[in-house]
Amino acid sequence: QVQLQESGPGLVKPSQTLSLTCTVSGGSISSGGYYWSWIRQHPGKGLEWIGYIYYSGSTYYNPSLKSRVTISVDTSKNQFSLKLSSVTAADTAVYYCAREVALMYFDYWGQGTLVTVSS
Amino acid sequence: QSALTQPRSVSGSPGQSVTISCTGTSSDVGGYNYVSWYQQHPGKAPKLMIYDVSKRPSGVPDRFSGSKSGNTASLTISGLQAEDEADYYCCSYAGSYTRVFGGGTKLTVL
Repeated sequence: QVQLQESGPGLVKPSQTLSLTCTVSGGSISSGGYYWSWIRQHPGKGLEWIGYIYYSGSTYYNPSLKSRVTISVDTSKNQFSLKLSSVTAADTAVYYCAREVALMYFDYWGQGTLVTVSS
Repeated sequence: QSALTQPRSVSGSPGQSVTISCTGTSSDVGGYNYVSWYQQHPGKAPKLMIYDVSKRPSGVPDRFSGSKSGNTASLTISGLQAEDEADYYCCSYAGSYTRVFGGGTKLTVL
């Protein structure tokens, strides 16, 4: 059974960089056919796809966030990470990591972690 | 890239059926058979309920079914049960390796 777990600071100051890591267990992040994604949910709002990375390092980002997002992978640690720069209060959200099957659907999700942007 | 359109809320009594719509464009819902649906209970992570428009993952009751016509996908829940009360989100591939979610629908079981 694949499990994902987000980790990182729960509080980030405005203009700084939000950094989160997702640790994958029960399966290899290097398995072909899976894309490792970040998705966020603003308080009381819907889901927003941020982007994903393939184990080879190929990345694709939501065009609305592309200029501020970097997703990276560390296959040796079975982890992938999210960096979101120049954050504002509008980036306050629950951030989820998830596994996407062949660009079609998300079958495993982390529990989510709340990140608050505030001074 | 605009969010897919879902009704804000739907409701039904136990045993009844409800349908949640998800409207997009020919660039997303209408252009690909890669629509998925997720159930989210308060404070929990979303759970995959339907993928590839109408396929059910193992363990999801057959009371849940999906379909698509043109630019609109639908999730139907038959034989409503109290535990079905949750938020539901659709998601579609939107070309150029991107995807888009719907705004979410709150299902209330009366």
